[in-house]
Amino acid sequence: KQEVTQIPAALSVPEGENLVLNCSFTDSAIYNLQWFRQDPGKGLTSLLLIQSSQREQTSGRLNASLDKSSGRSTLYIAASQPGDSATYLCAPNNAGNMLTFGGGTRLMVKP
Amino acid sequence: EAGVAQSPRYKIIEKRQSVAFWCNPISGHATLYWYQQILGQGPKLLIQFQNNGVVDDSQLPKDRFSAERLKGVDSTLKIQPAKLEDSAVYLCASSRQSGGYTFGSGTRLTVV
Repeated sequence: KQEVTQIPAALSVPEGENLVLNCSFTDSAIYNLQWFRQDPGKGLTSLLLIQSSQREQTSGRLNASLDKSSGRSTLYIAASQPGDSATYLCAPNNAGNMLTFGGGTRLMVKP
Repeated sequence: EAGVAQSPRYKIIEKRQSVAFWCNPISGHATLYWYQQILGQGPKLLIQFQNNGVVDDSQLPKDRFSAERLKGVDSTLKIQPAKLEDSAVYLCASSRQSGGYTFGSGTRLTVV
């Protein structure tokens, strides 16, 4: 059974900082891994999807890396802004096209 | 493309009552999922459909929860009778065979 851990659970940083969110998973037999953003009281918005054959994906100020063999992924946010404040969720995709979620990292970016 | 539609947006019921949630996935997405997200936790898969067949319902509390996906398109999730611990956000998602999920906005259920 896949288990996903996200560290840190919460993070508060001043505006402009670069930051890294960590995700680890126990079953490395994944097809892909997806990072999501969730604003309070809202659904999940997909940020990045990394296929198992890829090492990283970039979208704007976001960069996600994947080390499948060690069961790790990181989400790098450059030049953080108050609008980045949200919960970030990591979800590897195993056999049967099934996502397993970590507990998330709650990010607060202070002006 | 239109997103995943869910209704209602909010629901408050008393314990032991029944409730139903509705989801309409993105057109052409064969796979549909229902997730339960308790406050402060990540979403937990309840049931996965491939077209109108169940792929995985191992974490669905079958004594009180039921779900169906008639004609392989929209889906309903029902809870009967509800318990206090069922208070959560119920998220519907759909995906293509190649992966990449799209989530709806969710239904926030409060059981009092």
